[in-house]
Amino acid sequence: ETGVTQSPTHLIKTRGQQVTLRCSSQSGHNTVSWYQQALGQGPQFIFQYYREEENGRGNFPPRFSGLQFPNYSSELNVNALELDDSALYLCASSPGQYFFISTDTQYFGPGTRLTVL
Amino acid sequence: SQELEQSPQSLIVQEGKNLTINCTSSKTLYGLYWYKQKYGEGLIFLMMLQKGGEEKSHEKITAKLDEKKQQSSLHITASQPSHAGIYLCGAAKSPNTGNQFYFGTGTSLTVIP
Repeated sequence: ETGVTQSPTHLIKTRGQQVTLRCSSQSGHNTVSWYQQALGQGPQFIFQYYREEENGRGNFPPRFSGLQFPNYSSELNVNALELDDSALYLCASSPGQYFFISTDTQYFGPGTRLTVL
Repeated sequence: SQELEQSPQSLIVQEGKNLTINCTSSKTLYGLYWYKQKYGEGLIFLMMLQKGGEEKSHEKITAKLDEKKQQSSLHITASQPSHAGIYLCGAAKSPNTGNQFYFGTGTSLTVIP
């Protein structure tokens, strides 16, 4: 139990639609990262938010966007869904911005399985 | 593209056997993390290695980071069915982006009772 929750668990959308995925971090965790994990692959970094500001972005197009709220919740929005967007989407939270300097880590939620038809 | 190579891709072992999973990078690693993932679920943190030559153990799992900080191994002693899952190594992209990770492709472990 990591204290990070995600909703919904599963989602089915059709190509071209828009989707919003939600994440609730542990209280006090100011950093949230989102990852996309395709079947049989490792997670790919999408972007990260620190104190409600985008703090880094991976190699994903602008139709992937996010928000972080003061209550430690966050959203991942994907517009114009494509078939290749089908994946497990993971959010991860951590207290600080550069946690590897300490012995802290990031805590992952169980993920949202998105299927695009 | 993946910058961390994991081997083997999959592993099937008999319960009680020892096994090793490797994670290799062409670049110096700024913090190397091992996670375990049950199929289709979130990642569970196992261990973090930061210093060259570092070795950490937890229960029957030992992780090492080589002196050059470009290769790590995860060793499981006397494997049990509860060890089954996908093992992922992850590393920070740079010292300035400490918790923006890139991951290996994962090693799928099956333990036969």
